[in-house]
Formats: sequence, structure tokens, C-alpha cells
Amino acid sequence: SQTIHQWPATLVQPVGSPLSLECTVEGTSNPNLYWYRQAAGRGLQLLFYSVGIGQISSEVPQNLSASRPQDRQFILSSKKLLLSDSGFYLCAWRGNPVDMNTEAFFGQGTRLTVV
Amino acid sequence: GESVGLHLPTLSVQEGDNSIINCAYSNSASDYFIWYKQESGKGPQFIIDIRSNMDKRQGQRVTVLLNKTVKHLSLQIAATQPGDSAVYFCAEKNNQGGKLIFGQGTELSVKP
Repeated sequence: SQTIHQWPATLVQPVGSPLSLECTVEGTSNPNLYWYRQAAGRGLQLLFYSVGIGQISSEVPQNLSASRPQDRQFILSSKKLLLSDSGFYLCAWRGNPVDMNTEAFFGQGTRLTVV
Repeated sequence: GESVGLHLPTLSVQEGDNSIINCAYSNSASDYFIWYKQESGKGPQFIIDIRSNMDKRQGQRVTVLLNKTVKHLSLQIAATQPGDSAVYFCAEKNNQGGKLIFGQGTELSVKP
């Protein structure tokens, strides 16, 4: 069966520090991968999605970047965190092909607090 | 469409009543829709989905209705239980590129 792992679960970082959140998927190959951010009491904002290794689509211009160095690994990064980067970060995967009508499966999320 | 900056609307129902949660989507090219349930501090969980060539789909205690004319989606929960208390999101997938965009979400509160 397929599983998705996100870590860490919680993170407190000072303003100006770098960030690296990792997401890995097991049990499937060539998944579509997504990073979302959720502010407290708000909806899910799509940040990045990837249909293959090295292929990243950015949805919102911001202080973050994403990379997909391996088929089942998706990394969210920042060189210098801002207070506004605080939030709940969720990674998700969907099966391929990209236009297939299947749901996305989510990780348990990372609660990031920038202080 | 995406309204991530807005506070979540809330819906309060009595245990045993039926709940109806609504969602408006923005992209007429969206061809697949999903309802998710999110409990506090957790990732969203799949509830039910529907393709754009359907207008109704039923699951266990849940029904999704799709009205493409007005770009409206609804989730009906029968005999709502306290365990149904959560935030509910609709999501739409467009038919190009596979982006999955979430709606605003609704917080459902079930009173015993």
C-alpha cells in the first residue's frame, strides 16, 4: 500500500533562518506531488506541484521554493524565513497520469512557527 | 475557487440531523471534484468524489451533488454524528496539468 511521510511534525524557526521540509511517498512510482500551506482557520493554498523529477510548477510568488530530486521525494525550502511563512504545511500525492481522476492523499503536515 | 485568506464559515447542526455543506468552484474546465474532511492538526482525508459527467454520487451517509450550470458542489451528510465535527473542503481538478485547488472550507460543529 502507498504511504506518505512528512517531517518534522512541528518546527519553530527564527526569522531569517533557512527551512527544509521533506516529503516522501512509498508504494507508488511517478506520483504527482503537491505542497500546500494552511494558515490557522483558513483554507489550503496550493504552493507547488510536480508531475515528475525536476518538474516544479509554482503557484504563488513567495519566499519559498520546491525541489524534486528523486521520483518520490518532494522538498520545500526557504533561504530566509519570514514571520508570514508560519503555517501548517501539507504534502500530498496523486497517481499518474496527471489528468487521471483520482483523489490526493495527504501527509500529516508540519506545523511551522516562525518567531 | 481559492479563498484561502478568508475565515472559515461555520455550520452548527444537532446530532441526528442532516447537514448540507456548499462549495462554489470557479473553473468551468474542472472535470473532477473531491470532498475532504480535516480534523484539527491533521491532514485532509478523502470522503467522496464526483466526475464532471455526473450530477450525483452517493456513499455511506454522504451524497455529493454537482451543478455545473452554476458551478456549485454540495455535500450532504445524513444523520450527522459528533464524530463528523471537522472542517470540510471541496477541491477541483482542472483538465489540464492536474492542479488540485481547494475551496474555502466549512467548519461543521455537531451538538449532542
